[in-house]
Amino acid sequence: DVVMTQSPLSLPVTPGEPASISCRSSQSLLHSSGYYYLDWYVQKPGQSPQLLIYLHSNRASGVPDRFSGSGSGTDFTLKISRVEAEDVGVYYCMQTLKTRTFGQGTKLEI
Amino acid sequence: QAQLQESGPGLVKPSETLSLTCTVSGGSISGYYWSWVRRPPGKGLEWVGYIHYTGATNYSPSLMSRLTLSVDTSKSQFSLKLTSVTAADTAVYYCARLNALAIAGMNYYHSMDVWGQGTTVTISS
Repeated sequence: DVVMTQSPLSLPVTPGEPASISCRSSQSLLHSSGYYYLDWYVQKPGQSPQLLIYLHSNRASGVPDRFSGSGSGTDFTLKISRVEAEDVGVYYCMQTLKTRTFGQGTKLEI
Repeated sequence: QAQLQESGPGLVKPSETLSLTCTVSGGSISGYYWSWVRRPPGKGLEWVGYIHYTGATNYSPSLMSRLTLSVDTSKSQFSLKLTSVTAADTAVYYCARLNALAIAGMNYYHSMDVWGQGTTVTISS
């Protein structure tokens, strides 16, 4: 199984400041196609999860451009350039290379 | 825009079978993969499995021995059955659509872009 490890598990942030979440996989997520098979999801309080980033660095429809995904191999990062109050929630990375596995989640709080 | 709605009993006894259904409205069930994700209380998201509208399946290795996913295109529904449940299966269960959002090399890349509101299932006698 591919194990996904996120850090930190809790991230206090100040509105207007940047934030960064790390996600590490137990094996490379590089597919034979040359793409990294990784998504990012967020579950805001009282809501269902929603897709943020797919295929490593592509923002989902309607996602503000202050969100970006990067990384390679086994190390990936979700960055928020300027945190807003509405960004509060639990952020998950998920590998899609071998079945699917979520990370433990990172709680972003103001 | 497609909408998903989970339904099923909120309480199941230990050792029995958990059955849930997800109804797709506002869009076609054909042409897509459909998935299940759960979130145990106080824990993070856990991927359960997915099914193609043709019936092809992919299950979480940890649940494979107890899990069956099925699809009924005539009713625009897909379903989950989990046998021999224990307290560890207590969770909010979500259904979601796996949509082809990109082409990666020769393959379509699918992500969960539409989600149901979730249904709480408690395993208790």
